[in-house]
Amino acid sequence: KNQVEQSPQSLIILEGKNCTLQCNYTVSPFSNLRWYKQDTGRGPVSLTIMTFSENTKSNGRYTATLDADTKQSSLHITASQLSDSASYICVVSPNQAGTALIFGKGTTLSVSS
Amino acid sequence: ETGVTQSPTHLIKTRGQQVTLRCSSQSGHNTVSWYQQALGQGPQFIFQYYREEENGRGNFPPRFSGLQFPNYSSELNVNALELDDSALYLCASSYGQGSFYEQYFGPGTRLTVT
Repeated sequence: KNQVEQSPQSLIILEGKNCTLQCNYTVSPFSNLRWYKQDTGRGPVSLTIMTFSENTKSNGRYTATLDADTKQSSLHITASQLSDSASYICVVSPNQAGTALIFGKGTTLSVSS
Repeated sequence: ETGVTQSPTHLIKTRGQQVTLRCSSQSGHNTVSWYQQALGQGPQFIFQYYREEENGRGNFPPRFSGLQFPNYSSELNVNALELDDSALYLCASSYGQGSFYEQYFGPGTRLTVT
């Protein structure tokens, strides 16, 4: 069964600190892996998209890594800001026509001052 | 902010009623996907429309139906509402139906069924 699992479920860090969020997936074959940021009550916004051949992708203070062999991805946030408080969702796109994106449940990050 | 808009923003309905949610896709996009997101969960795929035809469907009953119009805007209709239908409904548009296309999400419609 195609699944995406994220850890931790929630995380609290102090402003300015770094953190790493984890994503494990069983989707195979897959086309790409995405990380989205979702503010409460809003739609998800794309942070990074990586194909199976890419190992790392950065977007400002966000850096995603991908290990297609172990089916693991991580999202590293550097020098966190209060505005980083949100849910971060890992999404895997199966490499099959007409197959839907598979979403993880997300990690809720709270950045405090 | 993406160019995807949804209406209404919030909606309260009674069990058994019917509801229609609307989505305007980003300019140039011909594909719209609909998702249901329960509180504390990731979005669940409902269905996708590509050039006015349903192109894929998730594990949702037939009382969830949709339309896509010639301008690629879309509607999600839910009949015989149940309490468990309370959720954030998201639509996302993209340039094409393939899995490698970026999906741009709207802000969502919060549906509460009482």
